[in-house]
Amino acid sequence: AQSVTQLGSHVSVSEGALVLLRCNYSSSVPPYLFWYVQYPNQGLQLLLKYTSAATLVKGINGFEAEFKKSETSFHLTKPSAHMSDAAEYFCAVSGTGTASKLTFGTGTRLQVTL
Amino acid sequence: GAGVSQSPRYKVAKRGQDVALRCDPISGHVSLFWYQQALGQGPEFLTYFQNEAQLDKSGLPSDRFFAERPEGSVSTLKIQRTQQEDSAVYLCASSLVSGSYEQYFGPGTRLTVT
Repeated sequence: AQSVTQLGSHVSVSEGALVLLRCNYSSSVPPYLFWYVQYPNQGLQLLLKYTSAATLVKGINGFEAEFKKSETSFHLTKPSAHMSDAAEYFCAVSGTGTASKLTFGTGTRLQVTL
Repeated sequence: GAGVSQSPRYKVAKRGQDVALRCDPISGHVSLFWYQQALGQGPEFLTYFQNEAQLDKSGLPSDRFFAERPEGSVSTLKIQRTQQEDSAVYLCASSLVSGSYEQYFGPGTRLTVT
Protein backbone atom coordinates (compact mmCIF):
# COMPACT_ATOMS: atom_id res chain seq x y z
CA ALA A 1 0.00 0.00 0.00
CA GLN A 2 1.12 3.51 -0.69
CA SER A 3 0.87 6.44 1.67
CA VAL A 4 2.25 9.89 2.31
CA THR A 5 2.83 11.71 5.56
CA GLN A 6 2.87 15.47 5.75
CA LEU A 7 4.70 16.79 8.78
CA GLY A 8 3.10 19.89 10.21
CA SER A 9 -0.56 20.66 9.67
CA HIS A 10 0.14 24.39 9.87
CA VAL A 11 3.20 26.32 8.74
CA SER A 12 3.62 30.07 9.12
CA VAL A 13 6.29 32.07 7.32
CA SER A 14 6.97 35.74 6.79
CA GLU A 15 6.58 37.22 3.34
CA GLY A 16 9.90 36.84 1.54
CA ALA A 17 11.04 33.92 3.69
CA LEU A 18 11.78 30.39 2.56
CA VAL A 19 8.83 28.02 2.33
CA LEU A 20 9.46 24.36 3.26
CA LEU A 21 6.58 21.91 3.37
CA ARG A 22 7.51 18.34 4.25
CA CYS A 23 6.26 15.12 2.70
CA ASN A 24 7.48 11.58 3.24
CA TYR A 25 6.15 8.67 1.25
CA SER A 26 5.82 4.95 1.70
CA SER A 27 5.61 2.80 -1.38
CA SER A 28 6.55 -0.74 -2.31
CA VAL A 29 7.11 0.29 -5.92
CA PRO A 30 8.74 3.38 -7.42
CA PRO A 31 6.13 6.03 -6.83
CA TYR A 32 4.81 8.94 -8.75
CA LEU A 33 4.55 11.93 -6.44
CA PHE A 34 2.56 15.12 -6.66
CA TRP A 35 1.99 18.38 -4.87
CA TYR A 36 -1.39 20.06 -5.15
CA VAL A 37 -2.56 23.42 -3.84
CA GLN A 38 -6.10 24.17 -2.74
CA TYR A 39 -7.43 27.68 -2.26
CA PRO A 40 -10.59 28.20 -0.18
CA ASN A 41 -13.74 26.83 -1.82
CA GLN A 42 -11.80 25.70 -4.87
CA GLY A 43 -10.64 22.40 -6.26
CA LEU A 44 -7.10 21.15 -6.31
CA GLN A 45 -4.50 22.60 -8.66
CA LEU A 46 -1.40 20.66 -9.62
CA LEU A 47 1.82 22.41 -8.60
CA LEU A 48 4.30 19.81 -9.78
CA LYS A 49 4.83 16.11 -10.29
CA TYR A 50 7.64 13.56 -10.10
CA THR A 51 7.40 10.68 -12.56
CA SER A 52 10.90 9.17 -12.36
CA ALA A 53 12.65 11.65 -14.60
CA ALA A 54 14.73 14.40 -12.98
CA THR A 55 14.78 14.24 -9.19
CA LEU A 56 14.52 18.02 -8.88
CA VAL A 57 11.15 19.05 -10.18
CA LYS A 58 10.15 22.62 -10.92
CA GLY A 59 6.52 23.60 -10.81
CA ILE A 60 4.31 26.61 -11.16
CA ASN A 61 4.46 29.80 -9.06
CA GLY A 62 8.14 29.32 -8.23
CA PHE A 63 7.71 26.07 -6.31
CA GLU A 64 10.02 23.10 -6.63
CA ALA A 65 10.46 19.72 -4.96
CA GLU A 66 13.27 17.20 -4.76
CA PHE A 67 12.73 13.45 -4.79
CA LYS A 68 15.13 11.79 -2.34
CA LYS A 69 14.83 8.04 -2.44
CA SER A 70 17.26 7.51 0.45
CA GLU A 71 15.09 9.67 2.69
CA THR A 72 11.76 8.67 1.10
CA SER A 73 11.00 12.37 0.93
CA PHE A 74 9.50 14.83 -1.53
CA HIS A 75 9.59 18.17 0.25
CA LEU A 76 8.16 21.28 -1.39
CA THR A 77 10.13 24.51 -1.33
CA LYS A 78 9.93 28.08 -2.54
CA PRO A 79 12.75 30.56 -1.96
CA SER A 80 10.58 33.56 -1.19
CA ALA A 81 7.01 33.40 0.08
CA HIS A 82 4.33 35.69 -1.25
CA MET A 83 1.03 36.56 0.38
CA SER A 84 -0.77 34.82 -2.48
CA ASP A 85 0.87 31.50 -1.50
CA ALA A 86 -1.38 31.21 1.54
CA ALA A 87 -3.41 28.06 0.93
CA GLU A 88 -3.67 24.35 1.77
CA TYR A 89 -1.03 22.12 0.23
CA PHE A 90 -1.41 18.40 -0.33
CA CYS A 91 1.22 15.83 -1.15
CA ALA A 92 -0.03 12.76 -3.03
CA VAL A 93 1.32 9.46 -4.31
CA SER A 94 0.10 7.18 -7.06
CA GLY A 95 1.14 3.98 -8.68
CA THR A 96 2.81 4.00 -12.06
CA GLY A 97 -0.19 2.87 -14.07
CA THR A 98 -1.44 5.43 -16.51
CA ALA A 99 -4.61 6.14 -14.58
CA SER A 100 -3.89 5.38 -10.98
CA LYS A 101 -5.80 6.78 -8.06
CA LEU A 102 -4.10 9.32 -5.84
CA THR A 103 -3.50 8.82 -2.14
CA PHE A 104 -3.27 12.16 -0.38
CA GLY A 105 -1.67 13.34 2.81
CA THR A 106 -3.67 15.25 5.39
CA GLY A 107 -2.50 18.61 4.10
CA THR A 108 -0.46 21.55 5.37
CA ARG A 109 -2.01 24.96 5.72
CA LEU A 110 0.50 27.66 4.81
CA GLN A 111 0.08 31.06 6.40
CA VAL A 112 2.12 33.99 5.10
CA THR A 113 2.50 37.00 7.36
CA LEU A 114 3.76 40.52 6.71
CA GLY B 1 -10.31 25.19 -22.79
CA ALA B 2 -12.99 24.38 -20.23
CA GLY B 3 -11.94 22.56 -17.11
CA VAL B 4 -13.78 20.00 -15.01
CA SER B 5 -17.12 21.30 -13.85
CA GLN B 6 -19.32 20.02 -11.05
CA SER B 7 -22.89 20.75 -10.05
CA PRO B 8 -24.38 21.72 -7.78
CA ARG B 9 -21.60 23.54 -5.98
CA TYR B 10 -23.49 23.34 -2.70
CA LYS B 11 -26.14 20.89 -1.60
CA VAL B 12 -28.01 20.71 1.66
CA ALA B 13 -29.96 17.52 2.26
CA LYS B 14 -32.02 16.30 5.14
CA ARG B 15 -30.92 13.01 6.61
CA GLY B 16 -32.48 10.18 4.69
CA GLN B 17 -32.79 12.06 1.38
CA ASP B 18 -31.15 10.88 -1.83
CA VAL B 19 -28.75 13.19 -3.65
CA ALA B 20 -27.12 13.19 -7.07
CA LEU B 21 -23.89 14.99 -7.82
CA ARG B 22 -22.80 15.67 -11.38
CA CYS B 23 -19.35 15.86 -12.93
CA ASP B 24 -18.50 17.09 -16.44
CA PRO B 25 -14.91 16.09 -17.21
CA ILE B 26 -12.58 17.76 -19.67
CA SER B 27 -13.58 16.83 -23.20
CA GLY B 28 -11.61 13.85 -24.44
CA HIS B 29 -10.45 12.68 -21.02
CA VAL B 30 -11.19 9.00 -20.70
CA SER B 31 -10.39 8.58 -17.00
CA LEU B 32 -12.64 9.97 -14.30
CA PHE B 33 -12.18 9.81 -10.54
CA TRP B 34 -14.36 10.69 -7.55
CA TYR B 35 -12.86 11.68 -4.21
CA GLN B 36 -14.41 12.56 -0.85
CA GLN B 37 -12.82 15.29 1.25
CA ALA B 38 -13.95 15.57 4.84
CA LEU B 39 -13.40 18.82 6.69
CA GLY B 40 -9.74 19.32 7.49
CA GLN B 41 -8.65 16.17 5.67
CA GLY B 42 -7.08 15.26 2.38
CA PRO B 43 -9.22 13.86 -0.40
CA GLU B 44 -9.90 10.12 -0.28
CA PHE B 45 -10.49 7.99 -3.35
CA LEU B 46 -14.00 6.72 -3.97
CA THR B 47 -14.18 5.29 -7.47
CA TYR B 48 -12.63 5.32 -10.95
CA PHE B 49 -13.98 5.04 -14.49
CA GLN B 50 -12.23 4.41 -17.75
CA ASN B 51 -14.71 5.55 -20.36
CA GLU B 52 -18.02 4.02 -19.22
CA ALA B 53 -16.44 1.15 -17.31
CA GLN B 54 -16.17 1.42 -13.56
CA LEU B 55 -12.82 -0.25 -12.97
CA ASP B 56 -12.37 0.46 -9.29
CA LYS B 57 -15.00 1.17 -6.66
CA SER B 58 -13.00 0.05 -3.67
CA GLY B 59 -13.28 3.43 -1.95
CA LEU B 60 -17.06 3.67 -1.86
CA PRO B 61 -17.86 3.67 1.87
CA SER B 62 -21.15 1.80 1.71
CA ASP B 63 -23.73 0.39 -0.67
CA ARG B 64 -25.60 3.68 -0.34
CA PHE B 65 -23.02 5.18 -2.69
CA PHE B 66 -23.38 4.54 -6.40
CA ALA B 67 -21.61 6.09 -9.38
CA GLU B 68 -22.21 5.85 -13.09
CA ARG B 69 -20.83 7.17 -16.35
CA PRO B 70 -23.14 5.64 -18.95
CA GLU B 71 -21.79 7.33 -22.09
CA GLY B 72 -18.21 7.71 -21.03
CA SER B 73 -18.36 11.45 -20.41
CA VAL B 74 -20.60 12.94 -17.70
CA SER B 75 -20.62 11.08 -14.40
CA THR B 76 -23.08 11.09 -11.54
CA LEU B 77 -22.38 10.14 -7.95
CA LYS B 78 -25.54 9.18 -6.13
CA ILE B 79 -25.90 8.83 -2.39
CA GLN B 80 -29.02 7.17 -1.08
CA ARG B 81 -30.50 7.72 2.36
CA THR B 82 -27.90 10.34 3.26
CA GLN B 83 -26.39 10.31 6.74
CA GLN B 84 -24.62 13.08 8.64
CA GLU B 85 -21.28 11.37 8.13
CA ASP B 86 -21.74 11.84 4.38
CA SER B 87 -21.21 15.59 4.83
CA ALA B 88 -18.06 16.42 2.87
CA VAL B 89 -16.79 17.96 -0.32
CA TYR B 90 -17.03 15.59 -3.25
CA LEU B 91 -14.32 16.17 -5.85
CA CYS B 92 -14.26 14.92 -9.39
CA ALA B 93 -11.08 14.66 -11.45
CA SER B 94 -10.33 13.61 -14.99
CA SER B 95 -7.22 12.64 -16.89
CA LEU B 96 -5.99 11.40 -20.23
CA VAL B 97 -5.02 7.75 -20.15
CA SER B 98 -2.05 7.67 -22.43
CA GLY B 99 1.11 9.51 -21.48
CA SER B 100 -0.30 11.65 -18.72
CA TYR B 101 -0.47 11.06 -15.01
CA GLU B 102 -2.05 14.37 -14.18
CA GLN B 103 -5.53 14.55 -12.76
CA TYR B 104 -7.45 17.77 -13.25
CA PHE B 105 -9.87 18.55 -10.47
CA GLY B 106 -13.22 20.26 -10.48
CA PRO B 107 -14.25 22.77 -7.80
CA GLY B 108 -16.17 20.16 -5.84
CA THR B 109 -19.67 19.85 -4.44
CA ARG B 110 -20.03 20.64 -0.76
CA LEU B 111 -22.69 18.35 0.69
CA THR B 112 -24.17 19.16 4.08
CA VAL B 113 -26.55 16.65 5.63
CA THR B 114 -28.73 18.05 8.38
